[in-house]
Amino acid sequence: QVQLVESGGGLVKPGGSLRLSCAASGFTFSDYYMSWIRQAPGKGLEWVSYISSSSSYTNYADSVKGRFTISRDNAKNSLYLQMNSLRAEDTAVYYCARVEGVAGPFDYWGQGTLVTVSS
Amino acid sequence: DIQMTQSPSSLSASVGDRVTITCRASQGIRNDLGWYQQKPGKAPKRLIYAASSLQSGVPSRFSGSGSGTEFTLTISSLQPEDFATYYCLQHNSYHTFGQGTKLEIK
Repeated sequence: QVQLVESGGGLVKPGGSLRLSCAASGFTFSDYYMSWIRQAPGKGLEWVSYISSSSSYTNYADSVKGRFTISRDNAKNSLYLQMNSLRAEDTAVYYCARVEGVAGPFDYWGQGTLVTVSS
Repeated sequence: DIQMTQSPSSLSASVGDRVTITCRASQGIRNDLGWYQQKPGKAPKRLIYAASSLQSGVPSRFSGSGSGTEFTLTISSLQPEDFATYYCLQHNSYHTFGQGTKLEIK
């Protein structure tokens, strides 16, 4: 069955960096676009970024553009999110999700990893 | 950017009630819309895709309708496990979620 397991969250100071990982299993990872979505405490869902199956195409929400970088390693069935210049408003649970089709909806989600940006 | 306006933001209802949640897109999105259910501390779970197709394993009391700019999620007879927060998601142009609807027990 499809499994997505995020890791790498934690407490970081404003201006700091963090790298999230998502380990995928149960499907042919290299066939799918993948995405990161976040949810601030007590708030709604916000799409963050997605990456094409071959890494040739990426896209970002305006709120993270220029600070976050999505990447993947198909040989390791892994998705990454490098987060730099972190701000308090980046505090959230970060979910990785499988994308259906080309930039389609999210059909499977991981359990999430919490990122807290605070001094 | 496409904006999604979801209503109501919260809703109180009783077991057995029929409830409807609405999402309105700022421009036409064909049927590129899904509905998700989220329970506290858990990841969202997809209920509906392509506006009206039921995800495998989801009870038939859930249904979706609409096309273009107006979409609805209907739960025909609320069950105790349905009290949760619901989100719509458009994927016609990038991805935008609605603000969410918290469904609470009356």
